[in-house]
Amino acid sequence: QVTLRESGPALVKPTQTLTLTCAFSEFSLSTTGMCVSWLRQPPGKALEWLALIDWDDDKFYSTSLKTRLTISKDTSKNQVVLTMTNMDPVDTATYYCARIRVLTVAGIQYYHGLDVWGQGTTVTVSS
Amino acid sequence: DIQMTQSPSTLSASVGDRVTITCRASQSISSWLAWYQQKPGKAPKLLIYKASNLETGVPSRFSGSRSGTDFTLTISSLQPDDFATYYCQQYKSFSWTFGQGTKVEIK
Repeated sequence: QVTLRESGPALVKPTQTLTLTCAFSEFSLSTTGMCVSWLRQPPGKALEWLALIDWDDDKFYSTSLKTRLTISKDTSKNQVVLTMTNMDPVDTATYYCARIRVLTVAGIQYYHGLDVWGQGTTVTVSS
Repeated sequence: DIQMTQSPSTLSASVGDRVTITCRASQSISSWLAWYQQKPGKAPKLLIYKASNLETGVPSRFSGSRSGTDFTLTISSLQPDDFATYYCQQYKSFSWTFGQGTKVEIK
């Protein structure tokens, strides 16, 4: 059974850097087609996509946040790490990681949906 | 970025009702759209991918369709377990974006 679990500080101060870890099991990011994405959801608001890293170490970022985000993977540890710099109270949210696969059908590659999610970790930004 | 406009924001319905939620993309996304269900305090759950493909294990009362840049999630007969918030998400191009969500409430 594929699982993902997020971990990180529950409270960070404004201007600090947030580091979140996604530990996953039963799949490998060295397997072709495997990807992990980070998303967040402020209290009472909609989901927001943040970043994605794939099996080939390609990285993609939210347009509005890309100057503050870095995503990386440690394949040997089955972990993906997201850092977000210069944290602000508006960054208070539940942060999720999720798996997404790239499937190939009739020679065409496409992303499947975000099919397995972690439970989320709540981060509050406050002094 | 591609904007996803979802409607309605809230929907009141009864068990057994047919429910339709709409999502409109600001530009063509082909069929690169997914639908998710989220219950309070829980992570989202994938329902539909590539506009109309039912995720494994999702009840067949859920269906998705596309007409141009308009996408629809239909629940054919609303069940008690279906009261939740639903989100659409485009993955045609990065940066991926979500709709604002539709909360399905008990009438």
